[in-house]
Amino acid sequence: ILNVEQSPQSLHVQEGDSTNFTCSFPSSNFYALHWYRWETAKSPEALFVMTLNGDEKKKGRISATLNTKEGYSYLYIKGSQPEDSATYLCAQTMNTGFQKLVFGTGTRLLVSP
Amino acid sequence: GAVVSQHPSRVICKSGTSVKIECRSLDFQATTMFWYRQFPKKSLMLMATSNEGSKATYEQGVEKDKFLINHASLTLSTLTVTSAHPEDSSFYICSAQAPRGREQFFGPGTRLTVL
Repeated sequence: ILNVEQSPQSLHVQEGDSTNFTCSFPSSNFYALHWYRWETAKSPEALFVMTLNGDEKKKGRISATLNTKEGYSYLYIKGSQPEDSATYLCAQTMNTGFQKLVFGTGTRLLVSP
Repeated sequence: GAVVSQHPSRVICKSGTSVKIECRSLDFQATTMFWYRQFPKKSLMLMATSNEGSKATYEQGVEKDKFLINHASLTLSTLTVTSAHPEDSSFYICSAQAPRGREQFFGPGTRLTVL
């Protein structure tokens, strides 16, 4: 994997459904993996920063896992609510000495009532 | 905390004019600010990294004379798109990083349309 890739591109679920997205990234020179939540017309909001293989983070109904050896991270949303509708971005920083974020194209989530 | 503002949110200008976009960290001092650009259906792409009091570092393929970056204080960075052309129409977004911080805090972005 040469770039940060996210799947699916978009997702439409019903309120109460649980869902998950995938972020794949190059495993070489890995430093950190970031997840952001981006609502239309607002600033991207940082959800998680993970650095260690096997890291798991949780914030309310949202959680994330990290596998640095195989180069992927999952974001889970339990019991989706309409207010969870947003674009979820992942981004990688590498250990090259710079705090440069390399973003995926995002997963656009729509939760219908 | 960690609020970053960006101004203007939208701008429409004629081809050949210059446009300045401001990025401010409102409640923290940002030694480093970043400028990103997003094309439709594409990911955010880093244009340049700006450190307070020094010249910006531009990513490969980004023209530094076209996109002038100034980071004159710990709370303000500006991006000036000089002699804008329709192909410069895009979404520009900045982020700010506190000293010794790992997180970048983003502004809401600026939609530039060049006619």
